[in-house]
Amino acid sequence: QSVLTQPPSASGTPGQRVTISCSGSSSNIGSNYIYWYQQLPGTAPKLLMYRNNQRPSGVPDRFSGSNSGTSGSLAISGLRSEDEADYYCAAWDDRLSGVIFGGGTKLTVL
Amino acid sequence: QVQLVESGGGVVQPGGSLRLSCSASGFTFSNYAMHWVRQAPGKGLEWVAFIGYDGSNRYYADSVKGRFTISRDNSKNTLSLEMNTLRTEDTAVYYCGGRSCTGAVCYGPYMDVWGKGTTVIVSS
Repeated sequence: QSVLTQPPSASGTPGQRVTISCSGSSSNIGSNYIYWYQQLPGTAPKLLMYRNNQRPSGVPDRFSGSNSGTSGSLAISGLRSEDEADYYCAAWDDRLSGVIFGGGTKLTVL
Repeated sequence: QVQLVESGGGVVQPGGSLRLSCSASGFTFSNYAMHWVRQAPGKGLEWVAFIGYDGSNRYYADSVKGRFTISRDNSKNTLSLEMNTLRTEDTAVYYCGGRSCTGAVCYGPYMDVWGKGTTVIVSS
């Protein structure tokens, strides 16, 4: 059971906007940044968002992140077939003194 | 180009040991804070361990504390994970990942460089 809670699945049609939530607590998201990773099938994770809402170079601005209290979210607008992947949130947890990942959300583009 | 390559995976019996390596190239490894992250078959990502750029800070997941040891040799551009008393639940693909960080607070889950992973199977 992950300390960060994500919906196991999400879906949308091309062009739609999809949001993936990540719920934590005061010891992780409530006091530290959220990070988001995208993992395409059979590949290593790729950093998608850092420090809540910062996009690394090369990540399209269709991806955006937010953090409010003890939860955060990743939004994908203008959904494309190549966005079909697993998405993970992550944060440092002060109580555990370690990194925690959410359980992951499988995004399906219908 | 910037590259991390893991090696050392294999099949080992429960209770056995294994040493994973992560070889870095194309960037200044000694400036990078590094993590090990694993993924069991069909499961999500699980953080394993962190080491600061100079090896001074180390953190471990509770699930591996006391059994695994993370280390680095900046002269050889290599990150290592010594795994002892292995359990069947340690079966996973092990990834190394990191980012350039030489400050005081580098232990967050900020990894912008990743390897392709090495597979560890613990089975009798």
